[in-house]
Amino acid sequence: EAGVVQSPRYKIIEKKQPVAFWCNPISGHNTLYWYLQNLGQGPELLIRYENEEAVDDSQLPKDRFSAERLKGVDSTLKIQPAELGDSAVYLCASSAGGETQYFGPGTRLLVL
Amino acid sequence: DAKTTQPPSMDCAEGRAANLPCNHSTISGNEYVYWYRQIHSQGPQYIIHGLKNNETNEMASLIITEDRKSSTLILPHATLRDTAVYYCIVRRNTGGFKTIFGAGTRLFVKA
Repeated sequence: EAGVVQSPRYKIIEKKQPVAFWCNPISGHNTLYWYLQNLGQGPELLIRYENEEAVDDSQLPKDRFSAERLKGVDSTLKIQPAELGDSAVYLCASSAGGETQYFGPGTRLLVL
Repeated sequence: DAKTTQPPSMDCAEGRAANLPCNHSTISGNEYVYWYRQIHSQGPQYIIHGLKNNETNEMASLIITEDRKSSTLILPHATLRDTAVYYCIVRRNTGGFKTIFGAGTRLFVKA
């Protein structure tokens, strides 16, 4: 069974540029999560989707971050414009309902 | 959701058992104890979870105290590939199941 797929794995951009990350969850998993992980820290939840509905986006900085999951399957997380402090690993996870979350490999973003 | 306390780092000799402790004194009755690990440059990997009873799978064993205020993850025969950051998390499995990661325990398995 394929795991959570994320792309790209690495991204280097200049500040003020836009960037997008893509995630395809495990087949059949209706819940999708985006996490941010800074160096040396644990992941922090940005947004959680139940199917196509964002049910918890309280930690998403909405001035520059946006996310969508239009058909309730794959999802895109966007930053526009990116700032130096956005350099981090962006992790996607999925689960069947509220059960065990399975994580993708993450996208490592470097903003110069 | 309850928070957890873990030692920042631990060492273990290869081939020996690694026992990773976790305190979760404010755990609620409907919250599970989950363990994940994260190997360098990879996403967190699910290891095991439990509610009240001790659990065992092919990766590890989870021992939960009777009062559920602490638990121990046991890797029975640690290998060099078990070097990673181990996260202990408590969370519900239904409704509002927020997952809060702490800083975890950095386990070094030495030859």
